[in-house]
Amino acid sequence: DIQMTQSPSTLSASVGDSVTITCRASQSVSNLLAWYQQKPGKAPKFLIYKASSLQRGVPSRFSGSGSGTEFTLTISSLQPDDFGTYYCQHYNGYPYTFGQGTRVEIK
Amino acid sequence: QVQLQESGPGLVKPSGTLSLTCAVSGASIISSDWWSWVRQVPGKGLEWIGEIYHYGTTNYNPSLKRRITISVDKSNNQFSLKLTSMTAADTAVYYCARWGGGLDVWGQGTTVTVSS
Repeated sequence: DIQMTQSPSTLSASVGDSVTITCRASQSVSNLLAWYQQKPGKAPKFLIYKASSLQRGVPSRFSGSGSGTEFTLTISSLQPDDFGTYYCQHYNGYPYTFGQGTRVEIK
Repeated sequence: QVQLQESGPGLVKPSGTLSLTCAVSGASIISSDWWSWVRQVPGKGLEWIGEIYHYGTTNYNPSLKRRITISVDKSNNQFSLKLTSMTAADTAVYYCARWGGGLDVWGQGTTVTVSS
């Protein structure tokens, strides 16, 4: 299985800050990577596909980049509603696997 | 608007079998989509369980493959998960989801506890 490793595990930032989450794959997944946001007690929300394509309805402050084994999710101007846990997921072959999550807290 | 709704027992006995159903509304299950199951152990991350296409083609997580069956019920526009030989390690929130280039539509999730 391809292992997905996210860093940091937790980050705390202020409203308006730019934050970046990194996701590394144990082998190349090309650009077949998705990002999700999950709030406590809720199902994950789909944010980004193919590493950098924004899902419809997702605010443009979210962006993704990368290919191969290293990817980033950036929130350009953190908003109060952006708290939660963020997960990357590869879909370059089975089984699909997720990163362990990055918890984003608002200072 | 596509919506998914899981249903099934909240409590399963050890060594028992879990059966969950995901009802699909706002879309036909015979559309060109894959229909998935994902679970989340309390306080932990997400685990992809498997998926099915309406033809019946399935892909399963090898870690669960010997114990799981995913099936489609076209007449009721729903799909199902069966997980056998349940243990405490299978206690989790189980989600159904649609794969549309990513898991783009999710059910609200159903909590399943394995306990005698």
